[in-house]
Amino acid sequence: DAGVTQSPTHLIKTRGQQVTLRCSPKSGHDTVSWYQQALGQGPQFIFQYYEEEERQRGNFPDRFSGHQFPNYSSELNVNALLLGDSALYLCASSRSAEAFFGQGTRLTVV
Amino acid sequence: GQNIDQPTEMTATEGAIVQINCTYQTSGFNGLFWYQQHAGEAPTFLSYNVLDGLEEKGRFSSFLSRSKGYSYLLLKELQMKDSASYLCAVRDSNYQLIWGAGTKLIIKP
Repeated sequence: DAGVTQSPTHLIKTRGQQVTLRCSPKSGHDTVSWYQQALGQGPQFIFQYYEEEERQRGNFPDRFSGHQFPNYSSELNVNALLLGDSALYLCASSRSAEAFFGQGTRLTVV
Repeated sequence: GQNIDQPTEMTATEGAIVQINCTYQTSGFNGLFWYQQHAGEAPTFLSYNVLDGLEEKGRFSSFLSRSKGYSYLLLKELQMKDSASYLCAVRDSNYQLIWGAGTKLIIKP
């Protein structure tokens, strides 16, 4: 079992650009959540997908959007990047109580 | 609003015991989680409490009091590899995880 995998691991983008991050959940998991973690902070919930629909959303602007595919993998899209979007983006998959995290994508906006 | 409070940083000695506290105020409660996160890595699951009391798992134990909005993580026989951040998270009435900022634990020889 490969666990939760995210790609890419690191990414550098310019302000105003758009970015797509990808996540493959742990085998058997049908729920995917995305988090943003700034340095020295806890993760902040962006949204959660279940059965290809956004089920929950945190306090993030519409520039942040996502998608879940029939195989439960997911994408996070961020448009019109700002310097403040620089962070570690974590994907977590779950089926019941415990959430398993991927290694994250370190996004740097310059 | 919802918030999770935990100390920013703690220091302990190798071989000793340390207790990391977490207090929470959330809209509803559907379980409390503790995760360990080494620098630059993803959080890894340590424990889950949904009922009051102590859950023991090897060197790590976690306690919950729902009436007090309080939990602690107890780490025994500390090892150098336990140096990490420890994150407390509560699942609220919407089943959304609300996270604390984490406690950075420094272990000294």
